[in-house]
Amino acid sequence: NAGVTQTPKFQVLKTGQSMTLQCAQDMNHNSMYWYRQDPGMGLRLIYYSASEGTTDKGEVPNGYNVSRLNKREFSLRLESAAPSQTSVYFCASTVTRGDQETQYFGPGTRLLVL
Amino acid sequence: EDQVTQSPEALRLQEGESSSLNCSYTVSGLRGLFWYRQDPGKGPEFLFTLYSAGEEKEKERLKATLTKKESFLHITAPKPEDSATYLCAVQSGSNYQLIWGAGTKLIIKP
Repeated sequence: NAGVTQTPKFQVLKTGQSMTLQCAQDMNHNSMYWYRQDPGMGLRLIYYSASEGTTDKGEVPNGYNVSRLNKREFSLRLESAAPSQTSVYFCASTVTRGDQETQYFGPGTRLLVL
Repeated sequence: EDQVTQSPEALRLQEGESSSLNCSYTVSGLRGLFWYRQDPGKGPEFLFTLYSAGEEKEKERLKATLTKKESFLHITAPKPEDSATYLCAVQSGSNYQLIWGAGTKLIIKP
């Protein structure tokens, strides 16, 4: 049981380049999330998917697109990278048991846009 | 507007020196308050969920408490391995998205 996995671990892009960040979970969770984490700020939600086939915008969706490929996989795409998108990106999935909801995070992708 | 503020930004303690971290929040109808631990270069790791004022939860040297305006993470006799950034997040009843604080970086010196 690997939990939440993310690839790549680290990436350097030039302004205007595109890339896709991959995320997969093997816990059979319905909900999946993409966050970005910047120094001195809390995690900010980019997009989320409540279930397979659905996606919704979070707090900071501009410049990103997502695909919920199946129940396991949720990818984040940067179509034209900008220096402001330099950040650490975390994928998470959620399990809900009764009233209890817990988010499990992947190890992160560190992205540098030059 | 839902908001979470954590203090202090950083806290340095000697091994064995107990202290508390604070998480102040404003939210329209609290559904849950979450504490996570984050080690350098890793993703956040779940610690606790608190749902109502007066609730307390413990795990080893950590104890989380909740009031209507804030939560405290008490650390008793900490060890160097407790060094990490501790994150707090709240979930409102109207919007299930988590609102995160910026975290408190805790350093325990041996």
